[in-house]
Amino acid sequence: KAGVTQTPRYLIKTRGQQVTLSCSPISGHRSVSWYQQTPGQGLQFLFEYFSETQRNKGNFPGRFSGRQFSNSRSEMNVSTLELGDSALYLCASSLRYTVGVVETQYFGPGTRLLVL
Amino acid sequence: SQQGEEDPQALSIQEGENATMNCSYKTSINNLQWYRQNSGRGLVHLILIRSNEREKHSGRLRVTLDTSKKSSSLLITASRAADTASYFCATDEAGGSQGNLIFGKGTKLSVKP
Repeated sequence: KAGVTQTPRYLIKTRGQQVTLSCSPISGHRSVSWYQQTPGQGLQFLFEYFSETQRNKGNFPGRFSGRQFSNSRSEMNVSTLELGDSALYLCASSLRYTVGVVETQYFGPGTRLLVL
Repeated sequence: SQQGEEDPQALSIQEGENATMNCSYKTSINNLQWYRQNSGRGLVHLILIRSNEREKHSGRLRVTLDTSKKSSSLLITASRAADTASYFCATDEAGGSQGNLIFGKGTKLSVKP
């Protein structure tokens, strides 16, 4: 099976702009999670989607949003970019059968966003 | 917020030696997972150990879990230069409806040839 893919891999934006990142999960995986990784804060959970519904959300401002399509592909959007949004954004997919139990997550290579 | 805390933050060893990394966490968990990340790339899943398991092996990896101490250890035996990476433990909180992993800050392992 093909792994999780993320596009684009690298992105440079300026403050105030918005950005959309895309993630295609492993075929058959219906759960997609997004994480932000920075040197200072480490890996932080953004949100999780399952069957087109946002099930969980991390502690991020409303500028961060996402969605999932019927084919399980997911996008996340960051509006009004700030310098602090520079990070590696990781998408992960999993087979989630049981509510509240996180099984193995398969990560994509990430999108590295630089905000100038 | 960080659930797991890895120790040490950095570890440098010679090829062939064993590497041990520790992880402590705060809440009751369903399972604990270890991931590897090479130089700012995506994470690769290494092993998952459930809360009712005490030890698990996968190739050169051995993971232990002590739920009474809320801690886990990852042992890599006969390390290779290719094992150079950051290693993260991740947990999911038992009893919660959250569908996400909470990661520690990681241990940076350097294996010198």
